[in-house]
Amino acid sequence: AQSVAQPEDQVNVAEGNPLTVKCTYSVSGNPYLFWYVQYPNRGLQFLLKYITGDNLVKGSYGFEAEFNKSQTSFHLKKPSALVSDSALYFCAVREFSGAGSYQLTFGKGTKLSVIP
Amino acid sequence: DAEITQSPRHKITETGRQVTLACHQTWNHNNMFWYRQDLGHGLRLIHYSYGVHDTNKGEVSDGYSVSRSNTEDLPLTLESAASSQTSVYFCASSVSGGADTQYFGPGTRLTVL
Repeated sequence: AQSVAQPEDQVNVAEGNPLTVKCTYSVSGNPYLFWYVQYPNRGLQFLLKYITGDNLVKGSYGFEAEFNKSQTSFHLKKPSALVSDSALYFCAVREFSGAGSYQLTFGKGTKLSVIP
Repeated sequence: DAEITQSPRHKITETGRQVTLACHQTWNHNNMFWYRQDLGHGLRLIHYSYGVHDTNKGEVSDGYSVSRSNTEDLPLTLESAASSQTSVYFCASSVSGGADTQYFGPGTRLTVL
């Protein structure tokens, strides 16, 4: 069974400082990993994903994430936080198990607050 | 532009009533999904479909049903609404294949009194 954990319910960071939102996963085989962002009263917006290849994935709005297979982690990062980055962030995993399995498992979300 | 829409955006209903939430996508995606979002639980999968006439149960399917009669629509029905089904419901779709991104609708906030 696939699972994902976001160990921090909330992350506070000062504007201009680097930010990290943590995610660890568990799958039997190889993972597909995703990050989504949710602004208040909105649906989830796709930020980036890891499929294969380069462990550092770049996405929308200056975000990036690093896939670390040995630590089973996929932390979301940004070099300089903006107040507008304040939102709820979700990590999701899908195990690559061949044809027919396209379900995502989501973490519980991390609320990011960027303080001016 | 292609998109995914949900209706209604807000719904208040009474315990025991049947409720149907609509989801419509214009991307011609094969895969469609319904999730519910609750505080402390993140998103949990209710039902999903990999094509017309295909439906499957997710993690929290009790009390819900779906049907897929065409590519564009996957309505979610609550057969007899319960207060425990008060939640925000999201529909999502993806092309096909394991690496494809799911794209989400704006959500429906359902309150069951």
